[in-house]
Amino acid sequence: AAGVIQSPRHLIKEKRETATLKCYPIPRHDTVYWYQQGPGQDPQFLISFYEKMQSDKGSIPDRFSAQQFSDYHSELNMSSLELGDSALYFCASSSGTPNTEAFFGQGTRLTVV
Amino acid sequence: DQQVKQNSPSLSVQEGRISILNCDYTNSMFDYFLWYKKYPAEGPTFLISISSIKDKNEDGRFTVFLNKSAKHLSLHIVPSQPGDSAVYFCAASADSGSRLTFGEGTQLTVNP
Repeated sequence: AAGVIQSPRHLIKEKRETATLKCYPIPRHDTVYWYQQGPGQDPQFLISFYEKMQSDKGSIPDRFSAQQFSDYHSELNMSSLELGDSALYFCASSSGTPNTEAFFGQGTRLTVV
Repeated sequence: DQQVKQNSPSLSVQEGRISILNCDYTNSMFDYFLWYKKYPAEGPTFLISISSIKDKNEDGRFTVFLNKSAKHLSLHIVPSQPGDSAVYFCAASADSGSRLTFGEGTQLTVNP
């Protein structure tokens, strides 16, 4: 079965650069979530989209923005990168039906140097 | 403010025995609870979930128990296998299907 696809898997950027992370949800899933997991920490919710509209917002810095496109894939844009942005970024998708689980992608490991 | 807490950072059990992972939460609005398993450098893999209208859900070797009055849930793995060794995250959501709030995770090691 198709899973959540994230690209790239690894990304190295310098401080103050920009990065774009992509997420392709499971087919027919209309909800996408973005999470950030720092070293030794639990995943922290950043932002979510339902039917291409932002549905919820968590601890996402103003330097970051995201959107969901007509084909339901999502992109997380990160500007003015800081060393502290180095983390694993996970995308998850769900069908949006109540009480259904979210399925996670493999994650993108971002390293800011 | 950690709304979902897993107080045991690690747990070690023998193969064939029961593994019990615990999770406590503080937000009474949470109505859906999930357990995820995570290997290094991979995304969390869904294991099992439970709605707040139930107190037990079973799927093969995995059983999740929910005690709403105590705001406590637990994951039982019987029998434990070496392949179960991973970090286990407890997660919760309110309004059925909204963002997940994760616990800190418990590293389970199953020794052969």
